[in-house]
Amino acid sequence: QKEVEQNSGPLSVPEGAIASLNCTYSDRGSQSFFWYRQYSGKSPELIMSIYSNGDKEDGRFTAQLNKASQYVSLLIRDSQPSDSATYLCAVNGLTDSWGKFQFGAGTQVVVTP
Amino acid sequence: KAGVTQTPRYLIKTRGQQVTLSCSPISGHRSVSWYQQTPGQGLQFLFEYFSETQRNKGNFPGRFSGRQFSNSRSEMNVSTLELGDSALYLCASSLVGGGEQYFGPGTRLTVT
Repeated sequence: QKEVEQNSGPLSVPEGAIASLNCTYSDRGSQSFFWYRQYSGKSPELIMSIYSNGDKEDGRFTAQLNKASQYVSLLIRDSQPSDSATYLCAVNGLTDSWGKFQFGAGTQVVVTP
Repeated sequence: KAGVTQTPRYLIKTRGQQVTLSCSPISGHRSVSWYQQTPGQGLQFLFEYFSETQRNKGNFPGRFSGRQFSNSRSEMNVSTLELGDSALYLCASSLVGGGEQYFGPGTRLTVT
């Protein structure tokens, strides 16, 4: 069982619609959670961080965390073609391993005009 | 503030050789992590350094090693290169580790 799991996609989203990405993790000791965006041929770029249960909004992005269910999600509102990328979920703070990040395989998002 | 820098950006080596990659973190950041990214395995954690000490290590063979200097700059070394070591090697820095990490542009290593 992978420690951080994401649907690989591709997730096809019409321009202007909401893209919904999910991520589940296996270690209940995980403390902090992150979403990165990676364009093809580029390095990951931090979009959001979330540390406590609930929602966190930043512009068109909303991260949601539910530690009891061990999932974290990312919503992208008003999706634009420039949002087409791979989105990586990262989890930190695995038991006894603070500072050791685990990444999901990523979800490819394709926004169609 | 300048971002994370990595040198070199591209590298071609032959099997059996060794290679050293360099990473300069964002000013003030004391934690540096290294990752290997391949199409098949995704982004895999190699190790993390904080205040010149390796604090965490991933599941890679001993051929992969690293170090961090007093100015927080870090190097990673891969000895006895294998074809499977061909990958994008990414460095990420954060203030104290465990929080928000910022990635450098990466070093693309090709082993022939």
